[in-house]
This record gives sequence, structure tokens and C-alpha cells, in this order.
Amino acid sequence: DADVTQTPRNRITKTGKRIMLECSQTKGHDRMYWYRQDPGLGLRLIYYSFDVKDINKGEISDGYSVSRQAQAKFSLSLESAIPNQTALYFCATSGEDSYEQYFGPGTRLTVT
Amino acid sequence: GQNIDQPTEMTATEGAIVQINCTYQTSGFNGLFWYQQHAGEAPTFLSYNVLDGLEEKGRFSSFLSRSKGYSYLLLKELQMKDSASYLCAVRRGRGSYIPTFGRGTSLIVHP
Repeated sequence: DADVTQTPRNRITKTGKRIMLECSQTKGHDRMYWYRQDPGLGLRLIYYSFDVKDINKGEISDGYSVSRQAQAKFSLSLESAIPNQTALYFCATSGEDSYEQYFGPGTRLTVT
Repeated sequence: GQNIDQPTEMTATEGAIVQINCTYQTSGFNGLFWYQQHAGEAPTFLSYNVLDGLEEKGRFSSFLSRSKGYSYLLLKELQMKDSASYLCAVRRGRGSYIPTFGRGTSLIVHP
């Protein structure tokens, strides 16, 4: 079984809809991250959490919110989706020193 | 802030050697990562350099020069399966210690 899982794997939604992407991990890591990846732009950090009570904005947090429900679960929400949020979204985890990151398989989101 | 630069695309021949460069500018430095990402898949960790020099791991090696703000990933005996994007990521020496990723280099290996 995969250490980091994401649901859904693919999603098509309409402008203005609320959508939640979920991430679960079995690695026992405290640190979790949400990234988006766009062609030609690389991975950009949206939000990160260093433990259940800690939530921090990344470089592109506008239009997104997160919830850390447990050590193993970190969800990303788009309150009102817009077309330029169409992207590939990755969840990742790491140990305490933010050394090697373990990425989930990604969620391909399309906003029409 | 950080500025990370790597070529957008490279091509190479199966069996050959290819070097993918990464240059960076950062206020403070605490390590450089290389990740491999096949199309549509998750990035996977390849290497981490924090001191100057060459780190070898099988067919892959990674080099770092902190004074020059420069790293390269060397892939030997290229195989078709090495066709992927290679992401350079730099970690600052303060703050969250979360690495910042470059835009990636798409490597195409042809027969």
C-alpha cells in the first residue's frame, strides 16, 4: 500500500464550486505539505503544517484553505474554484527536519 | 527570496552520459535536493547535498559548489526509463527549512 494517498485522483468541477482534496499518510510524519504544479512553473507551496495544531501559508495560499484533522490527514479546500486553479496538486510529508519529502500520487483538478 | 535556474529541456542518447545543471541564488543555504518525476507521477527523491563535492549513488551522481551557487546531476549509462523531469530544490538556512523547487528539466532519452 502507498505511504501517501490522495483522493480524488482526478476531478472536474465548475467555477464557483467548493471542492476538497484529501491526503492521508501512514509514514508517521508530523510534517505535511500541499503543492500545486503547473506546466513550466514547477512545484509551488500552497500550505504546510508541522503538526496537528500548526498551519502555515506557503507562497500561493490565496483562494485555498486547509485542515489538519489528525497527524495522518491534511485536506486542501478550494472555497470557490476558478479556472486558473486548474493544476496537478500534490500532497507530501517529511520528517522533523523537512529533509526528504514523500509525495502522494497527485490529484488532477480541472475547473471549467 | 530564492532564484533557481535549470534548463527547460535536454535530450540525450541511450547509453550516454548527461549532466543537468542547476544554479541558485539564496539568502542562506541549507542543502540542495534533486528529485525525479516521470510524467503524471509523483516526484521521488534522488539526492541531497549540503557540503561541497560529489555524491555518487549508482548511475546517478550529484555535485555541489556552494561558493558558486551551482549543482549538477550526472546520469550515466542512460536508459529509456530515465526520460523524466529532474527537479532541483534549494533549502534555506533559516525559517521553515522547506525547500523551494526550480521549474524542472525535462530529459528525453532516445534510442
